[in-house]
Amino acid sequence: KQEVTQIPAALSVPEGENLVLNCSFTDSAIYNLQWFRQDPGKGLTSLLLIQSSQREQTSGRLNASLDKSSGRSTLYIAASQPGDSATYLCAVIGNTDKLIFGTGTRLQVFP
Amino acid sequence: NAGVTQTPKFRVLKTGQSMTLLCAQDMNHEYMYWYRQDPGMGLRLIHYSVGEGTTAKGEVPDGYNVSRLKKQNFLLGLESAAPSQTSVYFCASSDRLAGTYNEQFFGPGTRLTVL
Repeated sequence: KQEVTQIPAALSVPEGENLVLNCSFTDSAIYNLQWFRQDPGKGLTSLLLIQSSQREQTSGRLNASLDKSSGRSTLYIAASQPGDSATYLCAVIGNTDKLIFGTGTRLQVFP
Repeated sequence: NAGVTQTPKFRVLKTGQSMTLLCAQDMNHEYMYWYRQDPGMGLRLIHYSVGEGTTAKGEVPDGYNVSRLKKQNFLLGLESAAPSQTSVYFCASSDRLAGTYNEQFFGPGTRLTVL
């Protein structure tokens, strides 16, 4: 059974820091991995999707990497801003078409 | 282009009452999903559909029923609500067309409280 773990559960950093969020999964037979952002009381916004054949994807200040063989993904946020404060979720999907989510990393960026 | 919308946004029920949550998408996606999100549990799949007229069970299907009579709509029903069904419910949709890689798009959620 696929299990997804995110470390750390919470993170508080000063504005301007570069930071890394970690995601690990137990079954490497995945189709893709998706990173989401969730603001308090809101829905999920898709940030990046990495196909199983890719090693990384970039969007603005965000860079996500994937090492399928070791069951790991990282989300790198450059020059963090208070507006980046949110919960970040990673999720993997296999050939069952079902997304399996981690429990998230709650990020707070203070001025 | 509204994406994925959910109705209602909030609802309070008494134990034993029934209700239906409506999800609608305007992206012509084949796949639709219902999740629930609980503190410390993350998002868990309740039911999903891979096309009009089809439904399948997810991780936590008990106490819920679904229907996909039209491609753009996916309904989640609670026949007899229980306090354990207090949660935030999210709908999502996706497609398996080449180039989309089954990226899922989520609605804003429905916050349900069962007293």
